[in-house]
Order: sequence, then structure tokens, then C-alpha cells
Amino acid sequence: DGGITQSPKYLFRKEGQNVTLSCEQNLNHDAMYWYRQDPGQGLRLIYYSQIVNDFQKGDIAEGYSVSREKKESFPLTVTSAQKNPTAFYLCASSEGQGGRAFFGQGTRLTVV
Amino acid sequence: GESVGLHLPTLSVQEGDNSIINCAYSNSASDYFIWYKQESGKGPQFIIDIRSNMDKRQGQRVTVLLNKTVKHLSLQIAATQPGDSAVYFCAEREPGANNLFFGTGTRLTVIP
Repeated sequence: DGGITQSPKYLFRKEGQNVTLSCEQNLNHDAMYWYRQDPGQGLRLIYYSQIVNDFQKGDIAEGYSVSREKKESFPLTVTSAQKNPTAFYLCASSEGQGGRAFFGQGTRLTVV
Repeated sequence: GESVGLHLPTLSVQEGDNSIINCAYSNSASDYFIWYKQESGKGPQFIIDIRSNMDKRQGQRVTVLLNKTVKHLSLQIAATQPGDSAVYFCAEREPGANNLFFGTGTRLTVIP
């Protein structure tokens, strides 16, 4: 069953903690992305990676970090520097840069 | 990237009627456009795409129209069903861009 798997589905974070969101794909796609979605709003790009061991900042990268050690995996860490982390996080991948993106089912992060 | 916007944030239609969801884009050089459907609490699902060298593309019950003269994109859904209720996003890709830019979305509600 090919696709993108995000985990966990729900995540709660205490103030000052770092948390890591998982994203795995078995579509053999080179490009992967992380988006943030706030209620009633569109998707904003956090980070993207065009190839293993390479990634670029998106529009709202402050307070986030990523790694791309394997083609299949693109984890996102929400650091304590992110002042308003409560949001719905979506991971996506595409075969080529800027191509049709396939999305995971999202992780809802809540700060408690 | 330049903004991708939608004319109507909400749209209600009767079951069985046709739906038209509109999207205005501001970058006349954008060369690729996609429509996504997002159900509550889930990731966006691909519906249909179109390249800038086309004016119209049809899928199963859906048609995308591209009017480059006025920078307008629309999604037509034939015989709308309750399962079509969701938020619909358009996305555009600017030439040379490594990712898609998303609009804020339109919520479609189908009235039984």
C-alpha cells in the first residue's frame, strides 16, 4: 500500500519542549515537504527537500528544523523557539520539484 | 510567491446540482495548477491538474477550466453529492519553483 505515513495523528507538547513529527513515504519520491495549516487558512510551507541530505527553508521556517538522511524519511522537529506551534502539520512528497504533491493524513499538534 | 486566492470562501449547493469553485491567481507566468480536496481532519487529496498550455481538462465528474487572459481557474463538479462536502484548494507552481503555492480554500457544503 503506497503512500505517505505521518505519525502520530495527535501530539501534545508542553511549553518549552521540542517534539518531532514523523513522515515516511514509500513512493520513491525525491522531493518532500512540510506544511503548516491553521484553522480556516491555507497551507504554508515550512521546509522542503529536493534530495537526500539537502533541504531548504520555506516561508515560515523559524522555530522548526528538519533532516533528510534517507530518501523515505523527512522528520520535522518543532522546537521551543516556535512561539505558536499549535496547528495541523502536513507532510507531502512529489516525484519532481513543484510537481503533483501527495499528502499524508496530518499531525495535529497542541501545546498544553 | 504571489498569492493564490479564491473568490468565495463558502459555497452551498443542493445535492444533484453542479458546483463551480473559483480561484484567481496573480502570477501570469505560473505553468501548472492543481485542485485538491480536503476533508475535515485529513490531508488534501489530489482531484485534477492542468498545465498552462491547456484551457480545459476533464476527469470523472470534475472539469478544470483555465483562463489565462484573466488569470482564473475554476473547478466544476457535476451532480454534486454529499461526499463532495469538503474544503477545496487550488495550488499553482511558478516557473522554476520547487514547491506549490496554495490558496486559502473554499468550503463546499452539499445540502441533501
